[in-house]
Amino acid sequence: ETGVTQSPTHLIKTRGQQVTLRCSSQSGHNTVSWYQQALGQGPQFIFQYYREEENGRGNFPPRFSGLQFPNYSSELNVNALELDDSALYLCASRPRGGESYNEQFFGPGTRLTVL
Amino acid sequence: GDSVTQMEGPVTLSEEAFLTINCTYTATGYPSLFWYVQYPGEGLQLLLKATKADDKGSNKGFEATYRKETTSFHLEKGSVQVSDSAVYFCALREQGAQKLVFGQGTRLTINP
Repeated sequence: ETGVTQSPTHLIKTRGQQVTLRCSSQSGHNTVSWYQQALGQGPQFIFQYYREEENGRGNFPPRFSGLQFPNYSSELNVNALELDDSALYLCASRPRGGESYNEQFFGPGTRLTVL
Repeated sequence: GDSVTQMEGPVTLSEEAFLTINCTYTATGYPSLFWYVQYPGEGLQLLLKATKADDKGSNKGFEATYRKETTSFHLEKGSVQVSDSAVYFCALREQGAQKLVFGQGTRLTINP
């Protein structure tokens, strides 16, 4: 089975621009979460999607938004980019059942640089 | 709120040395505890987990025991290898929640 994939790998934007990051969940997974990992820090929870609706959010402003599609792929959108948004953005999916039900499987991340 | 505190890095050891990376947590309930590993240029991989007090998680020679009385989940390995060089993250998840709360990470370098 394929793992969680994310695109693009790297991205450079300027302050004030908007960005869309994409994630394809692992087959059989129906919940997706997004995390922001600043350099030298642990990942911080942004939000989670289940059945195409946001069902949990961390301490991030509304300019961070997302979508989940019927095929369980997902997007993270960030508007009005700020320099502090420079980070590695990680997507994680969770299976709908089975032994690994409570585990989150992470993608390789998208490295966003805001200039 | 919930939080995880890890031993400050970086940690540098010689091959075959004994490894301990300390992790303590603060939580309101009875969380599940995790260790994740991040190799250069890659995402996070689950290394091991424990879901209740006194559980021991183990994988690839690494072990960690859920100690409720000391709110700790220290990572240990008896003999490290160069291939263990990576960043290690301790994390918790409260019961019923899906959000993972991570520590700041500990960079481990193993020299041959």
